[in-house]
Amino acid sequence: DAKTTQPTSMDCAEGRAANLPCNHSTISGNEYVYWYRQIHSQGPQYIIHGLKNNETNEMASLIITEDRKSSTLILPHATLRDTAVYYCIVRVEDDMRFGAGTRLTVKP
Amino acid sequence: KAGVTQTPRYLIKTRGQQVTLSCSPISGHRSVSWYQQTPGQGLQFLFEYFSETQRNKGNFPGRFSGRQFSNSRSEMNVSTLELGDSALYLCASSLTGTGNTEAFFGQGTRLTVV
Repeated sequence: DAKTTQPTSMDCAEGRAANLPCNHSTISGNEYVYWYRQIHSQGPQYIIHGLKNNETNEMASLIITEDRKSSTLILPHATLRDTAVYYCIVRVEDDMRFGAGTRLTVKP
Repeated sequence: KAGVTQTPRYLIKTRGQQVTLSCSPISGHRSVSWYQQTPGQGLQFLFEYFSETQRNKGNFPGRFSGRQFSNSRSEMNVSTLELGDSALYLCASSLTGTGNTEAFFGQGTRLTVV
């Protein structure tokens, strides 16, 4: 069973920041928080991951709370091509347990 | 650098048949994991191989099996196919299969059982 909970769906205006929340209140000390997205039943695309500290890469930023019980993925300037299902996962090995994810719709 | 390659991309089989799907990981990656995605159940973990050994297994019947070769390429096999096995089968590879190494997915094999 997935160890994360996410909102079922969210909308975002094109050009604005998209903030996707994730709760992982039972996360263990050695589990990393990972984010993937999936577009049109293609293979999930890796976005970003982190353990304790906030992380940023060319795609997104990941903010993890100090108690590590929740995190937020930030897409700073959402485009129409960011419309996808976003999955938040806690992972220690490669048996990743996916939940239903958040369906993000970016609107013009 | 080539990504994760899955073959074939599409497959149609008849109930009762068996099927073998192939996954070539990113060069240098030693962990390969498999997932089944259906509209009703979402993405579900099947099993993970590391250095030719199955390290983790999900909650699937014994009809689902896999193996990994010395070059890290992996195959999964489904025997006695059922209609409910129709799904997108995805594999992911990572360097070591541990939490701090990114796992990258292939484009999947879409299996239709008729």
